[in-house]
Amino acid sequence: QITLKESGPTLVKPTQTLTLTCTFSGFSLRTSGEGVGWIRQPPGKALEWLAFIFWNDDVRYSPSLKSRLTITKDTSRNQVALTMTNMDPMDTATYYCGHRRITAAGFYFDYWGLGTLVTVSS
Amino acid sequence: QSVLTQPPSVSGAPGQSVSISCTGSSSNIGAGYDVHWYQQLPGTAPKVLIYANTNRPSGVPDRFSASKSGASASLAITGLQAEDEADYYCQSFDTTLRGGVFGGGTKLTVL
Repeated sequence: QITLKESGPTLVKPTQTLTLTCTFSGFSLRTSGEGVGWIRQPPGKALEWLAFIFWNDDVRYSPSLKSRLTITKDTSRNQVALTMTNMDPMDTATYYCGHRRITAAGFYFDYWGLGTLVTVSS
Repeated sequence: QSVLTQPPSVSGAPGQSVSISCTGSSSNIGAGYDVHWYQQLPGTAPKVLIYANTNRPSGVPDRFSASKSGASASLAITGLQAEDEADYYCQSFDTTLRGGVFGGGTKLTVL
């Protein structure tokens, strides 16, 4: 059974750096083909994909946020971290991590964490 | 502005059927990439409803079905129930963005 759980600060100030951690179980990022992604959802708004990290250390970022994002993995701890710099009130959102499942022509998130609400305010 | 376009809202009475469209472009759905659908109940994380265009994960009722044609996809829900009231999102891969793209979401109201 795959589970994921996000953790990190619930409140950050503008211009600060946010670091979120996704702790997972039921799979390993040592296994070929595995990947974890981050998705966010501002209150009342749509989902937005942010970043991926794969078993082979390959990473992908949303082009609109690429300059502010860093995704890393700690395989021994089954954790993936997302760092977002220069936080702004518009970054207020629920941040989810998800397990990526490959399909014949793409991917989807078959398991999601519960999400963590991050508020950006002074 | 989401890359995939969905109607903001749809509604139907219990027992009726509704459909939700998802329109993309030649860099995502139109390029042949799979479309996936998620249901998000109020205050909860999204849950996959349909994957790879037409497939239902175990546990998803067969009242939910989906199709894809060209650069668009559609989710159909038959025999509406009060518990179906939720937000629905489509998702695909975009070759220009080299990552995932979501629709803007559709709020289903069961009258």
